[in-house]
Amino acid sequence: GQQLNQSPQSMFIQEGEDVSMNCTSSSIFNTWLWYKQDPGEGPVLLIALYKAGELTSNGRLTAQFGITRKDSFLNISASIPSDVGIYFCAALNYGGSQGNLIFGKGTKLSVKP
Amino acid sequence: NAGVTQTPKFRVLKTGQSMTLLCAQDMNHEYMYWYRQDPGMGLRLIHYSVGEGTTAKGEVPDGYNVSRLKKQNFLLGLESAAPSQTSVYFCASSYRTGGLDGYTFGSGTRLTVV
Repeated sequence: GQQLNQSPQSMFIQEGEDVSMNCTSSSIFNTWLWYKQDPGEGPVLLIALYKAGELTSNGRLTAQFGITRKDSFLNISASIPSDVGIYFCAALNYGGSQGNLIFGKGTKLSVKP
Repeated sequence: NAGVTQTPKFRVLKTGQSMTLLCAQDMNHEYMYWYRQDPGMGLRLIHYSVGEGTTAKGEVPDGYNVSRLKKQNFLLGLESAAPSQTSVYFCASSYRTGGLDGYTFGSGTRLTVV
């Protein structure tokens, strides 16, 4: 089946550093999403991308929809302690129903103050 | 406006017991979903519903049943719980159209089967 390969699995960085993570697949998708999950909570949508090549920002977060439609990346600039959590990419192919949202396995981000 | 509410938040079951997890949303979303989250596995779709009275299987449906008798509620049932169903379960809901910006998750139900 379709899979998203998310990397890195975990990151341990200094406060103030920039962070980069990505998702790749052998399949083509029409939509890429990035979520953040805090401990004990459900995922919260950070950025949604609907168009190949699209670059979208949300505060210190920037995400891009790869032009091949098979990948996406998320950058966090000037990390702060509250950035700690697990970040998930998700993708959807509108050829199927909206239930076919596929998730990567997550990137766990830890920040040293 | 509570968003997506899941009950219960925690539950411990013995193998073979049954239970129902309730998901309620007050955003008038047409679509609702049940996922399970296991360490290192991300979220995997169990079942979903595109409208009242309709349900469909997701990636990992075995051992679960669902019902959507009312638009705002989506129930996930375990008829005979097994230790492999120990997981954190998340419900989500979204609009039928207008993109996925409104895709909203509940805060999860942590289920342990012993």
